[in-house]
Amino acid sequence: QVQLQESGPGLVKPSETLSLTCTVSGGSISSYYWTWIRQPPGKGLEYIGYMYYSGGTDYNPSLKSRVTVSVDTSKNQFSLKLNSVTAADTAVYYCARVHRGNDAFDIWGQGTMVTVSS
Amino acid sequence: DIQMTQSPSSLSASVGDRVTITCRASQSISRFFNWYQQKPGKAPKLLIHCASTLQSGVPSRFSGSGSGTDFALTISTLQPEDFATYFCQQSYSSPYNFGQGTKLEI
Repeated sequence: QVQLQESGPGLVKPSETLSLTCTVSGGSISSYYWTWIRQPPGKGLEYIGYMYYSGGTDYNPSLKSRVTVSVDTSKNQFSLKLNSVTAADTAVYYCARVHRGNDAFDIWGQGTMVTVSS
Repeated sequence: DIQMTQSPSSLSASVGDRVTITCRASQSISRFFNWYQQKPGKAPKLLIHCASTLQSGVPSRFSGSGSGTDFALTISTLQPEDFATYFCQQSYSSPYNFGQGTKLEI
């Protein structure tokens, strides 16, 4: 069964770049869209963006100028980079798989907390 | 952007109750609509997609309805494990916005 696991630094300094990786196990990254979502402490869910295994991408306009998502099919991984971070970017970051046909997010990683602080 | 508005924001209920949570989209999204359940400290879990299709493994006491702009999630007989926060989401067009959440307290 497909499982996702986020990894990356838990602490990032203001103005620097947040970098996270999601590793897909139990299945291939091919033929699916993959997405990133975040949740500030005590708040709701925010869609960040998605990518297709062959490289197509989509970003939330609210973050588009600062976000890059990419995929590495050889490692069965996909990644998120968010630059020029501020305290407002402090959140739990989730990766998830996009269900074929209806675009629901059907499999999620456990999430990783990222704090932006000096 | 399509905005999603959930109500209520919180709800107290008892085991065995029937509860309904609603969500309204700011424009028609057909049936590109999903419900998620999130328990404290855990990732969200997909409950219902396409407005009314139960995700595999989800108990049949959960049901979804609606199309266009108005949607509902009903739990027919509340169980203790249903204490959670529920989020709606549109998957009609990017950005795939979520509702603000409904916290269900048992």
